[in-house]
Amino acid sequence: RKEVEQDPGPFNVPEGATVAFNCTYSNSASQSFFWYRQDCRKEPKLLMSVYSSGNEDGRFTAQLNRASQYISLLIRDSKLSDSATYLCVVYNFNKFYFGSGTKLNVKP
Amino acid sequence: DAGVIQSPRHEVTEMGQEVTLRCKPISGHDYLFWYRQTMMRGLELLIYFNNNVPIDDSGMPEDRFSAKMPNASFSTLKIQPSEPRDSAVYFCASSLPGNNEQFFGPGTRLTVL
Repeated sequence: RKEVEQDPGPFNVPEGATVAFNCTYSNSASQSFFWYRQDCRKEPKLLMSVYSSGNEDGRFTAQLNRASQYISLLIRDSKLSDSATYLCVVYNFNKFYFGSGTKLNVKP
Repeated sequence: DAGVIQSPRHEVTEMGQEVTLRCKPISGHDYLFWYRQTMMRGLELLIYFNNNVPIDDSGMPEDRFSAKMPNASFSTLKIQPSEPRDSAVYFCASSLPGNNEQFFGPGTRLTVL
């Protein structure tokens, strides 16, 4: 079983829509969680960390559910520039485990 | 700071040839990671170093792959001999100690014919 699993998508949404991605992880002892963003043919970059109490950064909200072992990312008022692949990342004992990513296409 | 630097950005080689990928981490970062990304397998951790010492190389696919970090500002990933299935984008990343943000280099796109 993979450490981190994501729906690959693609999610095709119109501008202004709200879209949510989920990600599940297998190790209940996982320590930290992140969402990274990767544009086509570019390197991954940190979008936001995910805290136990949930956190928000502008149009982006991340939540963690330890009991069910999943994290989520909500994007409100989608912009064309949000089109990218979103990678769920779990940190265990000095190693980062990346999901395969969920592709988002925001269309005009 | 220039960020993580990788070279070459693109490499095309023939099966059986030796390939060397290079990485310069961000100054002051104690951790250095090598990843491989393919459409089929996503982003896979190959090996990581802490203070120039290899800590976990369990992701290295086979003996054809080797990595070194002779000093805090330079690391290499070598494939010898290369095979077509090694074709992928290889990323180097660095970070401060603990569960801090990883900063990725632009990657090396390797094609083995």
